Amino acid sequence: DAGVIQSPRHEVTEMGQEVTLRCKPISGHNSLFWYRQTMMRGLELLIYFNNNVPIDDSGMPEDRFSAKMPNASFSTLKIQPSEPRDSAVYFCASRQTANYGYTFGSGTRLTVV
Amino acid sequence: TQLLEQSPQFLSIQEGENLTVYCNSSSVFSSLQWYRQEPGEGPVLLVTVVTGGEVKKLKRLTFQFGDARKDSSLHITAAQPGDTGLYLCAGGKAGGTSYGKLTFGQGTILTVHP
Repeated sequence: DAGVIQSPRHEVTEMGQEVTLRCKPISGHNSLFWYRQTMMRGLELLIYFNNNVPIDDSGMPEDRFSAKMPNASFSTLKIQPSEPRDSAVYFCASRQTANYGYTFGSGTRLTVV
Repeated sequence: TQLLEQSPQFLSIQEGENLTVYCNSSSVFSSLQWYRQEPGEGPVLLVTVVTGGEVKKLKRLTFQFGDARKDSSLHITAAQPGDTGLYLCAGGKAGGTSYGKLTFGQGTILTVHP
């Protein structure tokens, strides 16, 4: 099992540019979560999907953020346009059922300059 | 919004010492999980507790879920440098709009010196 795979591991971009983060969940896991981690705010849930359907996107900070899950094996988180305050580590996690813990990816460290 | 408060935020101890990390909330959770995160990696699940009063042991780590399912603790016996990391508690609710998602505490950064 390769685990949850995120790409890229690091992203440095200029303010105003579009950023796309990618995630491949574990096969057979039916829930997928996008989190953002900063020193100030810790781990914040941005959005999560059950069976590819967005269930709760109340954590998405602004309309600049959008997420999609076109199929069970792929999800994207897009920021357009990016701003310096979006700099953080973004984690994707998947879970088999509600009674199981999350498996996190290694994260994407985003720096917007 | 549920709030999970962890204490202490930082803990720096010598190898061989014991320690306890606390996770408290005013909300009732159907389950509580503990994760450990190392630099540059995502959190890794250590344990899930679901029953009030439940105690689980994982080698030198002991996890307890409060009777009212509002709080939890993590106790490490004879800490080792390999225990160094960020420890996170996370609570889940059984129903309603919160179903299926975890709320994470701010974390406790543990440093164990050789």
